[in-house]
This record gives sequence, structure tokens and C-alpha cells, in this order.
Amino acid sequence: GEDVEQSLFLSVREGDSSVINCTYTDSSSTYLYWYKQEPGAGLQLLTYIFSNMDMKQDQRLTVLLNKKDKHLSLRIADTQTGDSAIYFCAGGTGGFKTIFGAGTRLFVKA
Amino acid sequence: DVKVTQSSRYLVKRTGEKVFLECVQDMDHENMFWYRQDPGLGLRLIYFSYDVKMKEKGDIPEGYSVSREKKERFSLILESASTNQTSMYLCASSSIAGSYNEQFFGPGTRLTVL
Repeated sequence: GEDVEQSLFLSVREGDSSVINCTYTDSSSTYLYWYKQEPGAGLQLLTYIFSNMDMKQDQRLTVLLNKKDKHLSLRIADTQTGDSAIYFCAGGTGGFKTIFGAGTRLFVKA
Repeated sequence: DVKVTQSSRYLVKRTGEKVFLECVQDMDHENMFWYRQDPGLGLRLIYFSYDVKMKEKGDIPEGYSVSREKKERFSLILESASTNQTSMYLCASSSIAGSYNEQFFGPGTRLTVL
């Protein structure tokens, strides 16, 4: 079945760039998402990319999509301690079902 | 400010008890979802609903049922709670009008079954 895989942990120093990677299996995914979950809270959509795009930039966030390799990445520039959270990669066709990865826990060291 | 609320943040129940988890959204969304979140497994879909009184099984429906009597409210029911249902439960909603199907999540209910 459909699957989304991502590494479970990432640790970076404050001010460095963070890159969180994700691979997915469902080539019919129309939208690919990054959700952020802060401690004690639900998930919140951070950004998304349409499958016919290669890149999307939004302030400190850059999303890269390699559709051939089914690889998605999220780059956070100038990472701050407030970016410490769990980041979920997800894919969907715009319908009911969205498949979520296991989440990458980002630790930012001051 | 759009909101999805869940009835409890923390819940402790005993094996065999019937458990109700309530979710309410104020965005007039058609779609509502129940997920469980476990470390290393991410979010797994239990059930979803695309309209009042309509429900569809997700990936792990066994041991759960749902009820959607009103558009804004979606309930998850554990008929006879078991220890392997100890987990974080997340409710979400989305609109069919949105082009990219963003889901809005509640803060979660951490359920412990003893």
C-alpha cells in the first residue's frame, strides 16, 4: 500500500540550516505536505507543494520535490529553538485520504 | 480563529470500559477524521466521515466505532477498551471546498487504558 518514510530524529545547532527528508511510494499523490506538531498540540499545516512543482519557497522554508525519485525535502534556514517540533511529511490526492509519515523530531541546540 | 476541540486532553480508563472521545469543529467542514498517533508509527487513520451519518473505515478500524449525528461533531467510541488502545488520539477536519485539502487538527487526547 501507500507509504511515507522519514527519519525519526534530527539535531542541529541554532542558526544552522535543517533539512528533513521524506520518501513516498504513491505516485498518484497530487499534493505533498509538511505539517508541524509542537509539544502538546495537534498538527498544523506548515506548507504544501503541488506535484507538478519542483520547488516552493516561503520565507525560511524551502520545499524540494523530486518526483522521479519520489523524494520530498523541507529546508529550514537559520533554524531557531522555536522550530523544535515534530515534522510530518504527508501525501494526498486532494480527496479524503492523506497518508502521513512517522514524523521527524527536530532538536535545535542553542 | 478556526478551531477543532477535543473533549479531554488526558483520559485514564480501565480495561473493558466503554470510552467516548468527542471532537467538535467550528469551521462548517464536511470531512472529519480520527487518527491515533504512536511513536515511530506516525498517524494512522481509524475512521473518517464525509457527511452527517456517513462513515468510512480507515486503516485500523478494529476495536473502534464512530458516530456523526451533527455536522460539527464526530465521536470515537471504544466499545471495550484494551491496553493496546493506549495512545494519543487526534481529530481533524477538512473542507471539500479547499483545493489542497488541508486538515485542521485538534490538540489530541492522550488515553491510557489500565
